[in-house]
Amino acid sequence: DIQMTQSPSTLSASVGDRVTITCRASQTIYTWLAWYQQKSGKAPNLLIYKASSLEGGVPSRFSGSGSGTQFTLTISSLEPDDFATYYCQQYNHYPITFGHGTRLEIK
Amino acid sequence: QLQLQESGPGLVKPSETLSLTCTVSGGSIRNDNYYWAWIRQPPVKGLEWIGTIYYRASTDYNPSLQSRVTISVDTSKNQFSLRLTSVTAADTAVYYCARHPVGGTPPYYMDVWGIGTTVTVSS
Repeated sequence: DIQMTQSPSTLSASVGDRVTITCRASQTIYTWLAWYQQKSGKAPNLLIYKASSLEGGVPSRFSGSGSGTQFTLTISSLEPDDFATYYCQQYNHYPITFGHGTRLEIK
Repeated sequence: QLQLQESGPGLVKPSETLSLTCTVSGGSIRNDNYYWAWIRQPPVKGLEWIGTIYYRASTDYNPSLQSRVTISVDTSKNQFSLRLTSVTAADTAVYYCARHPVGGTPPYYMDVWGIGTTVTVSS
């Protein structure tokens, strides 16, 4: 299985901050990576696919980059609605695997 | 607008079989552009992909669950289903169904999710 490692596991930030979450794959996944946002008690919501493609309806303050084994999700200016848990997911090879999540909390 | 809705028992006894159904509304499950998936999330834990089905009934399963999992599709009801046998407390989780948009060769990401249903395994 491809292991997905996210860092940090918890991130404290303030409204207006620029934040970056990192996801590393245990082997190359090219750009077959998605990012999801999950709020407490809700289903995950797709933000980014193919490493850097923004899903329709997702605010442009979210962006993704990377290829191979190293990827980042950046939120350019945090808004109150962004405090949630973020997961990366590889879909280069079965089984589909997720990172363990990064909890973004208010500082 | 496509919606997915999970349904099934919220409580299952150990060693018994967990059965859930996902009803697709606002679109047809008989669509070559999509596959359909089950994912679960144990309490206070991350996400685990269970398996994926294409409406023509081809499937892929997580090897960690493959011996206990069956995913099937009923195109006449616009539904797909999950069966997980011999459950234990470790199978307690929120179970989600989701849609994969097809692009290139599988696997794929998930762009639409159901709201999830909580299943507890307990006697």
